[in-house]
Amino acid sequence: EDQVTQSPEALRLQEGESSSLNCSYTVSGLRGLFWYRQDPGKGPEFLFTLYSAGEEKEKERLKATLTKKESFLHITAPKPEDSATYLCAVHPYGQNFVFGPGTRLSVLP
Amino acid sequence: EADIYQTPRYLVIGTGKKITLECSQTMGHDKMYWYQQDPGMELHLIHYSYGVNSTEKGDLSSESTVSRIRTEHFPLTLESARPSHTSQYLCASSELGQGTDTQYFGPGTRLTVL
Repeated sequence: EDQVTQSPEALRLQEGESSSLNCSYTVSGLRGLFWYRQDPGKGPEFLFTLYSAGEEKEKERLKATLTKKESFLHITAPKPEDSATYLCAVHPYGQNFVFGPGTRLSVLP
Repeated sequence: EADIYQTPRYLVIGTGKKITLECSQTMGHDKMYWYQQDPGMELHLIHYSYGVNSTEKGDLSSESTVSRIRTEHFPLTLESARPSHTSQYLCASSELGQGTDTQYFGPGTRLTVL
């Protein structure tokens, strides 16, 4: 069965304190892995798609990386406006997307 | 950036009422989806469509129904709402291609059934 887990469940950082969020997955075949940002009461906002192990993508203070079993979302020098829930999803071959439960990030000024 | 709209944003209704949640997108995407999300929980797929006149049930059993008469429009209907239907409903769309298709989400409808 295709599964996605995310850790930690919640993370509190001071402004400027870099850290990483983890997404571990089990799929029979991976077409793509996605990262989304979700603010309270809103729909998820697309951040990145990763297709193969070793791939990396960056956007402002965020960098996503992918291995055969997990993905990391690195946040460098975060700001309070980076506070949100970060969702990871996998797209297995022949299946619909499977979403993880998310990591709630709080960045304190 | 995707343009996908959902109305209403918030809905509070009594048990037994019939409701329709609206979803429209302006990108010409073929594939559309409905997800249900409870606070702090994963998104669960309840319906999806490959295009006009195509509807499929998702992984999570749902008492709702959907229709796809126009490419841009994918409404979800509950014939008789119950308190167990209280949740956030998210609509998404993607292009139907050979690769993996990025899903773009609307702002959601927060439904409360009293």
